[in-house]
Amino acid sequence: KQEVTQIPAALSVPEGENLVLNCSFTDSAIYNLQWFRQDPGKGLTSLLLIQSSQREQTSGRLNASLDKSSGRSTLYIAASQPGDSATYLCAVSELRGAQKLVFGQGTRLTINP
Amino acid sequence: DAGVTQSPTHLIKTRGQQVTLRCSPKSGHDTVSWYQQALGQGPQFIFQYYEEEERQRGNFPDRFSGHQFPNYSSELNVNALLLGDSALYLCASSTWKGGGYTFGSGTRLTVV
Repeated sequence: KQEVTQIPAALSVPEGENLVLNCSFTDSAIYNLQWFRQDPGKGLTSLLLIQSSQREQTSGRLNASLDKSSGRSTLYIAASQPGDSATYLCAVSELRGAQKLVFGQGTRLTINP
Repeated sequence: DAGVTQSPTHLIKTRGQQVTLRCSPKSGHDTVSWYQQALGQGPQFIFQYYEEEERQRGNFPDRFSGHQFPNYSSELNVNALLLGDSALYLCASSTWKGGGYTFGSGTRLTVV
């Protein structure tokens, strides 16, 4: 059974810092990995999608890496801003077609002005 | 380009009642999945619909049922509501051939 773990559960940093969020998964047979952002009480906004054949994806100040063999992904946020405050969720898709997503518990990020 | 639309946004029901939640997928998507997210937890997979059939199901009781219509929209039905069914219900759409998910804003269900 696939399990996804995110560390840390919560993180508070001052504005301007670069930071890394971690995600690990137990079964390396994944189709893709997706990072989401969730604001309180809201739905999920997709940030980055990494196919299993890829090593990283970048969008603006965000960079996500994937090491499938070790079951790890990291989300790097450069020059953090208060607007980055949210919960960040990592999810893996196990099989093409079935496309069920298995989520981690999320990292609650607070950026202090 | 409309994303995923869910209705209603909020709902309050009494224990034992039945509820129906609705979802319209993103244009071009043919697969709809439903997730339940309890407070402070990651979303949990309920089931997935493609070609109007349930393709995969998570660890949820038969009280949770669904339907997909020819226009790809979907409904989630929950019977005999329990207090523990209180959660944010998220609908996600994708294409069966693969790719990422697009999520709706969710329906907040409160059972009292």
